[in-house]
Amino acid sequence: GAGVSQSPSNKVTEKGKDVELRCDPISGHTALYWYRQSLGQGLEFLIYFQGNSAPDKSGLPSDRFSAERTGGSVSTLTIQRTQQEDSAVYLCASSLIRGPNEQYFGPGTRLTVT
Amino acid sequence: TQLLEQSPQFLSIQEGENLTVYCNSSSVFSSLQWYRQEPGEGPVLLVTVVTGGEVKKLKRLTFQFGDARKDSSLHITAAQPGDTGLYLCAGPPGQGGSEKLVFGKGTKLTVNP
Repeated sequence: GAGVSQSPSNKVTEKGKDVELRCDPISGHTALYWYRQSLGQGLEFLIYFQGNSAPDKSGLPSDRFSAERTGGSVSTLTIQRTQQEDSAVYLCASSLIRGPNEQYFGPGTRLTVT
Repeated sequence: TQLLEQSPQFLSIQEGENLTVYCNSSSVFSSLQWYRQEPGEGPVLLVTVVTGGEVKKLKRLTFQFGDARKDSSLHITAAQPGDTGLYLCAGPPGQGGSEKLVFGKGTKLTVNP
């Protein structure tokens, strides 16, 4: 079956502009996660959606970051007034939240803020 | 404070050599997962270890979960260039089920032909 997809694969934007990143999770996966990965670093948790529950936003670095998940499927991560330090790879993952919560990742969106 | 510490951070070896990478924590995990990430791609799950002392083998890769469920290791026998990548360990913190994973910073492995 289809895996997690993300779009765009690359995004170059000017400082101060808003960007939207999209994630299509695996069908039937109830949990969806957003992570940020800076060059050579591990994964930094941003936000987590599970079913109809309120999202866990504890990892969002500032109020410029927001995310929504429509209809329990597709998710959009929005970064307003982008800064150069926002440059990173943004990864989305989905899982079934059963047992050890094994996550399936998309290929990521590489964001470059100039 | 990094909940999962991975070592070494970088490792460059020749094809055919053996290697071990480590994932350590002062906290107990109900399970630990290992992922491999290749450049330009998302991490791919390799294995999940659940029981303290558990050993799992995946071809030339051997994964072990510590008895106290605070650490794990990945051993690769006769490494090949295709093993090159960033190896990440991750786990849900605590002894009960957690719906989030914490990730280590990874070991970047380069296997030279």
